[in-house]
Amino acid sequence: EDKVVQSPLSLVVHEGDTVTLNCSYEVTNFRSLLWYKQEKKAPTFLFMLTSSGIEKKSGRLSSILDKKELSSILNITATQTGDSAIYLCAVISRNDMRFGAGTRLTVKP
Amino acid sequence: NAGVMQNPRHLVRRRGQEARLRCSPMKGHSHVYWYRQLPEEGLKFMVYLQKENIIDESGMPKERFSAEFPKEGPSILRIQQVVRGDSAAYFCASSPGLQGLNYGYTFGSGTRLTVV
Repeated sequence: EDKVVQSPLSLVVHEGDTVTLNCSYEVTNFRSLLWYKQEKKAPTFLFMLTSSGIEKKSGRLSSILDKKELSSILNITATQTGDSAIYLCAVISRNDMRFGAGTRLTVKP
Repeated sequence: NAGVMQNPRHLVRRRGQEARLRCSPMKGHSHVYWYRQLPEEGLKFMVYLQKENIIDESGMPKERFSAEFPKEGPSILRIQQVVRGDSAAYFCASSPGLQGLNYGYTFGSGTRLTVV
């Protein structure tokens, strides 16, 4: 059965630290991987990754997909308290979309 | 713990029919959120419910869509007189308490609605 696994489940850092969140997947007919930030009721879309090895950046956030390793990482540099959230990874296959359990990031002042 | 259960996984309806999507939250979770995923787009929030209460329905289309979360049984998202544009994946998530960082969100596997 298709699955998406995120690690760690929970992470506590201090402002200014750099964090790396992981997402690994096992799906058939992979099409794309998405990262979301969830703070309130609606996840905020961050990145969609389709091609392996191409880094996507948005400010202090960046992400890259490794299709060989069936995984993706989300990096956040110089973390701020406003980065505290649950980060969700989702994988789209031909007929399905599956979410990981999320990584709860807490950034302390 | 079975997680968030959505059914059916796939639903095909003809234009003009009604679609009913069900979501059973995780055990111990009293808050349910419905989202719509259009092809190649992000998740769009639709509605947030607690048992017997609609807390926020700001993302629900004004017509044909309704949601409920009765005291007993699953949450239901109902779409009346479906049109082709309603074809999408509908996801449900649940949490044990108020929205916020202290509570995790668990997503179901979704219902893929196809209107023919």
